[in-house]
Amino acid sequence: RKEVEQDPGPFNVPEGATVAFNCTYSNSASQSFFWYRQDCRKEPKLLMSVYSSGNEDGRFTAQLNRASQYISLLIRDSKLSDSATYLCVVPSGSARQLTFGSGTQLTVLP
Amino acid sequence: NAGVMQNPRHLVRRRGQEARLRCSPMKGHSHVYWYRQLPEEGLKFMVYLQKENIIDESGMPKERFSAEFPKEGPSILRIQQVVRGDSAAYFCASSPAGAEGYTFGSGTRLTVV
Repeated sequence: RKEVEQDPGPFNVPEGATVAFNCTYSNSASQSFFWYRQDCRKEPKLLMSVYSSGNEDGRFTAQLNRASQYISLLIRDSKLSDSATYLCVVPSGSARQLTFGSGTQLTVLP
Repeated sequence: NAGVMQNPRHLVRRRGQEARLRCSPMKGHSHVYWYRQLPEEGLKFMVYLQKENIIDESGMPKERFSAEFPKEGPSILRIQQVVRGDSAAYFCASSPAGAEGYTFGSGTRLTVV
């Protein structure tokens, strides 16, 4: 099993739609999780941190299910500017190493 | 407050040459990380450094790659005798002590011709 697995997509949704991405991880000892966003040929940018059961920030909600080792990201009222690749990220290793999923590509259509 | 600064943004090297990639962390950040992103792939951890110390280099290829973070100056990722397979985006990130989330620089895109 991969350390971090994501559905690669692509997800093509109309403006205003609600879209959800899923991510599973293998390291049951992980305590914190992150969603990053990466625009084409740019650096990843931190979108949300998840330390307990979930986190909400405006249109974005992240949920964590430790029993199932599963993280989700929900985007409500999608905007054109939400088009990007969303990366599920889990700390791993003994010294602050982050393991990135391969990303889920989202395109919001007008 | 400048972010993580990487230079050059783009670097072209011929096979067999050396590539030096530089990274200046954000002000107040003492931890530096290097990641590599091959075309159409996810980011892979390479190395984690603090000033004058390599903390974790478990992701570094065994040969030709080295990294340093001297007491003064930027962190350097050095690739000797580059090959075509080294062509990738190399991202540096930094964090303050005790934090898990990183801030990434805009990356150096290395092309080996």
